[in-house]
Amino acid sequence: IAGITQAPTSQILAAGRRMTLRCTQDMRHNAMYWYRQDLGLGLRLIHYSNTAGTTGKGEVPDGYSVSRANTDDFPLTLASAVPSQTSVYFCANSVDGTDTQYFGPGTRLTVL
Amino acid sequence: GQNIDQPTEMTATEGAIVQINCTYQTSGFNGLFWYQQHAGEAPTFLSYNVLDGLEEKGRFSSFLSRSKGYSYLLLKELQMKDSASYLCAVRDQDYQLIWGAGTKLIIKP
Repeated sequence: IAGITQAPTSQILAAGRRMTLRCTQDMRHNAMYWYRQDLGLGLRLIHYSNTAGTTGKGEVPDGYSVSRANTDDFPLTLASAVPSQTSVYFCANSVDGTDTQYFGPGTRLTVL
Repeated sequence: GQNIDQPTEMTATEGAIVQINCTYQTSGFNGLFWYQQHAGEAPTFLSYNVLDGLEEKGRFSSFLSRSKGYSYLLLKELQMKDSASYLCAVRDQDYQLIWGAGTKLIIKP
């Protein structure tokens, strides 16, 4: 059982380019989350989805968009990447919005 | 604002005991989590406290005092593989997780 997979593992991107980070789960959990992790800061929530078809904004949503067309997939899109979006991005899930969160392996993104 | 405080770094000796503290100020409280994160890897769940007191799970224990806004993670019989960052997170009134910056634990032989 893979749990949560994320792709790509790492990416170097030119500023201004569009980029989609993929997140797929095989756990059939209702809730999914996108976080970014920067040195010296705690994990910060970008967007979340409590169930397929619904999404919500987290603490740092600007410059990012998400969709949740089905239970398993929760892609994160950077419409026009900027250097401040250089970070490690983690996708997570939970059975529902009140349960323990489990994390995917992460995507290391560098925007130049 | 919401705030989670934990020490940036701690050092301990293999075989010893270490206590990692976490204090919090959040809008509401719906539980406190501890996660372990090895360098370059994803956070993994360690423990959950919602009521005051101590939760023990093998070599790891977690304590909560809601009145003091305080928790600690106690690691016993330290092993080299326990070298990692330990993340404290509080679930607020909206059921969002608020994360501390993490405590990097260095284990020396």
